[in-house]
Amino acid sequence: ETGVTQTPRHLVMGMTNKKSLKCEQHLGHNAMYWYKQSAKKPLELMFVYSLEERVENNSVPSRFSPECPNSSHLFLHLHTLQPEDSALYLCASSQGVGNAKNEKLFFGSGTQLSVL
Amino acid sequence: AQSVTQLGSHVSVSEGALVLLRCNYSSSVPPYLFWYVQYPNQGLQLLLKYTTGATLVKGINGFEAEFKKSETSFHLTKPSAHMSDAAEYFCAVRAGNKLTFGGGTRVLVKP
Repeated sequence: ETGVTQTPRHLVMGMTNKKSLKCEQHLGHNAMYWYKQSAKKPLELMFVYSLEERVENNSVPSRFSPECPNSSHLFLHLHTLQPEDSALYLCASSQGVGNAKNEKLFFGSGTQLSVL
Repeated sequence: AQSVTQLGSHVSVSEGALVLLRCNYSSSVPPYLFWYVQYPNQGLQLLLKYTTGATLVKGINGFEAEFKKSETSFHLTKPSAHMSDAAEYFCAVRAGNKLTFGGGTRVLVKP
C-alpha cells in the first residue's frame, strides 16, 4: 500500500463515452501527477499539479481533461477517446515539485483503460 | 533536456544468478538517478536512488546500483536472483524538476 489509491482498476469504454479516473493520496503531499504507460513505450508524463494548480501539461490532447479540486484528489476526465488511448494510467504524488522535494514519487496501482 | 536508455526490454535470468540491468542517461546538469520496480498489477515503487555522495547505492531487496559519471551509466545489479524479483524495472533521471523514465526492462526469473 503506497498511500495512493486509484479507481477504477479497470475501465472499458466506447469512443463516444465520457468517464473519469480518480486518484486519492493520503500522504499529505502537495504535488500530483498523471502518467500514461503504453505497451512498448516509456512512461509518459501527462500532467503535473502543485497545490491544486496545473504546472505542467505535456502536449496532451484535449480529450483528456485533468481536475485537481484539492491537494488530496486528482481526476482525469475522458471524452471521445481513441483506441490508441488504451493504456495503463498511473497517478503519483510527491511532497512537492521543487528541486529538493520531488525526489520520490509514490504511485497508485493504475487504471487499465481499454477504448473500443 | 535529459533522456534515459535501458538496454534490453526483456531479461531472463536463472534463480540464483546475477541480475544486471543496464541504464544510460544523458543530462545537461548533474542528474539525480532512480530505479523503480513495477510488480504485476501494481504501480511503481522506488527501489533506490542516487542524489549526491557515494556512487554505489544500495536499495531494497538486495539491489544496488553504481553511478558512473564517465560512462553516464547507472546499472542495477543483484548478486542472486529470486523468483520474487520477476517484475519490470524502470530507470529514471531527474534534472531540475522533470523526471524522465526509460522504457523499462522486464525481468523473467527461471527456476
